[in-house]
Amino acid sequence: AQSVTQLDSHVSVSEGTPVLLRCNYSSSYSPSLFWYVQHPNKGLQLLLKYTSAATLVKGINGFEAEFKKSETSFHLTKPSAHMSDAAEYFCVVSERSSGSARQLTFGSGTQLTVLP
Amino acid sequence: GAVVSQHPSWVICKSGTSVKIECRSLDFQATTMFWYRQFPKQSLMLMATSNEGSKATYEQGVEKDKFLINHASLTLSTLTVTSAHPEDSSFYICSALRETQYFGPGTRLLVL
Repeated sequence: AQSVTQLDSHVSVSEGTPVLLRCNYSSSYSPSLFWYVQHPNKGLQLLLKYTSAATLVKGINGFEAEFKKSETSFHLTKPSAHMSDAAEYFCVVSERSSGSARQLTFGSGTQLTVLP
Repeated sequence: GAVVSQHPSWVICKSGTSVKIECRSLDFQATTMFWYRQFPKQSLMLMATSNEGSKATYEQGVEKDKFLINHASLTLSTLTVTSAHPEDSSFYICSALRETQYFGPGTRLLVL
């Protein structure tokens, strides 16, 4: 069984300051991990994904995440927040289910607010 | 590449009517598509897995007779909400599987 815990439901930062969105996971097998962003009334956009290659994953828009197996964490970071980063962020875990398709399990989401 | 579209993006209907939502993979073929629903300020919940040429697999608690899924081709899956009621109002999102899941922009359904 797999699960994802996003530790903060809401994060607020000032523009230009670092962003940290925390995510812990549990998985019975070697997981794939993803971060998605969702702007209001929009679908999901993939920011980055970890699939057992390099533990530090670089994504789009300056985001990156580090897979730490010992801590079962996959926190999302960005050095300098921009106003356009304000959105809902979802941490997602995937492991191969009984079928051939990987099922995704979503975290509860973190709402990022960027203050001017 | 890997673009997924949904139609319509918005739909308002009267209680008791049926609504069909289309999910298309525009530039790739997808034997597997997924349907999710998302309530306001909540996460996505998987409703069902749609497999081309076979019956969909529904998650526990999802009524298959209410949420009819058809995956008639490698680029199209449809979700029909039958006899819709106000509690079915939600944001419905599909995804298509290639090496990972690519998500559509979502369909907001409001049942009056």
